[in-house]
Amino acid sequence: AQKITQTQPGMFVQEKEAVTLDCTYDTSDPSYGLFWYKQPSSGEMIFLIYQGSYDQQNATEGRYSLNFQKARKSANLVISASQLGDSAMYFCAMREGSPGGGNKLTFGTGTQLKVEL
Amino acid sequence: GAVVSQHPSWVICKSGTSVKIECRSLDFQATTMFWYRQFPKQSLMLMATSNEGSKATYEQGVEKDKFLINHASLTLSTLTVTSAHPEDSSFYICSARRGTGNTIYFGEGSWLTVV
Repeated sequence: AQKITQTQPGMFVQEKEAVTLDCTYDTSDPSYGLFWYKQPSSGEMIFLIYQGSYDQQNATEGRYSLNFQKARKSANLVISASQLGDSAMYFCAMREGSPGGGNKLTFGTGTQLKVEL
Repeated sequence: GAVVSQHPSWVICKSGTSVKIECRSLDFQATTMFWYRQFPKQSLMLMATSNEGSKATYEQGVEKDKFLINHASLTLSTLTVTSAHPEDSSFYICSARRGTGNTIYFGEGSWLTVV
């Protein structure tokens, strides 16, 4: 089974609207972390937001929020007030186990977001 | 600003030659760095975990003799693609965790084209 599943290959949103990018995960480890990264066409990976499995509250970072539903094993990214500069590929990723020396991430297949006027 | 830096950003090399890509953590020490490979419009696939002062740990299916990883210091890991072939053309990107925080930072990535 896929560890990280992003079911939306592509999404369109109008400028200033909110958009939700879906991510579900699969792990039996009680300690894990979930990440969202933005990858513009230049290729760099830009960290957006992090949610730990034991965090009680949903993570928020500016216009980004993570809708963490642990029982459903979903960690959807919500971008509010979309901007043209938000057009990019978005990856959901998971780190299994507690933070430590081994922080390898497993990535989803990504969602290409395009913000339109 | 960037906390992890990669060099070069772009490299074109001839088939059969070797090319080295550097990954540096800026202003922090990284005992572990990670190397990923990404084909166009695909996800990132972990190639190997680079451990300072010891041998790298390679993921299944990754040829360790072809993709040489050296983590000689706490701020530098290098990936050398030996005897490169056109199928090695890809986007290579490294990452490192800064301190004890949860954030994992990525380098800017390196585009390799083998002709």
